[in-house]
Amino acid sequence: QLQLQESGPGLVKPSETLSLTCTVSGGSISSSSYYWGWIRQPPGKGLEWIGSIYYSGSTYYNPSLKSRVTISVDTSKNQFSLKLSSVTAADTAVYYCATPRDGIDNWFDPWGQGTLVTVSS
Amino acid sequence: NFMLTQPHSVSESPGKTVTISCTRSSGSIASNYVQWYQQRPGSAPTTVIYEDNQRPSGVPDRFSGSIDSSSNSASLTISGLKTEDEADYYCQSGVFGGGTKLTVL
Repeated sequence: QLQLQESGPGLVKPSETLSLTCTVSGGSISSSSYYWGWIRQPPGKGLEWIGSIYYSGSTYYNPSLKSRVTISVDTSKNQFSLKLSSVTAADTAVYYCATPRDGIDNWFDPWGQGTLVTVSS
Repeated sequence: NFMLTQPHSVSESPGKTVTISCTRSSGSIASNYVQWYQQRPGSAPTTVIYEDNQRPSGVPDRFSGSIDSSSNSASLTISGLKTEDEADYYCQSGVFGGGTKLTVL
């Protein structure tokens, strides 16, 4: 069964770029059956879809973040990545990678364990 | 775009039944499948209901989901409450609801 694991720096300075990678195991990221997505959750708050990617490279972003987000896929490493530019304290959150099962942004399963990214100088 | 509105918190006693609502602000609740996730502190969300009323394997049949077009809402019902059900619950249909904290006391 699919398993996802996030990795990346836990601390990013304001105005810099947040970079995270999600490693997929138990299946191929090149499978035509799946999209691959990122979701975040600020401390004590709710969930927000960031964006999703297909193995072919087609991307779909939350309009509220679109100008700062880039999601890419590396099929040779079975990984996909998130870059969020010009971060502020408001971007402090637990970032999850997950697999949308219904289209690009519905029914996420499974989820990675999540990684906390703090934006601070 | 639309929003999904959930009560901020609900509480009930062990053994009782609780229902958490999720109201769609515009557009039909039936136009996209609704999912429900359980999130315990420090853990990632896990699916308890998908496609409006389907339970993943391993989720007890005490959990059930439904949609009601007349109120344009979805509901998660948990019967025979156990203390282990205490968690945050999120509905999702494209967008996520704000989450409901369930206290079992």
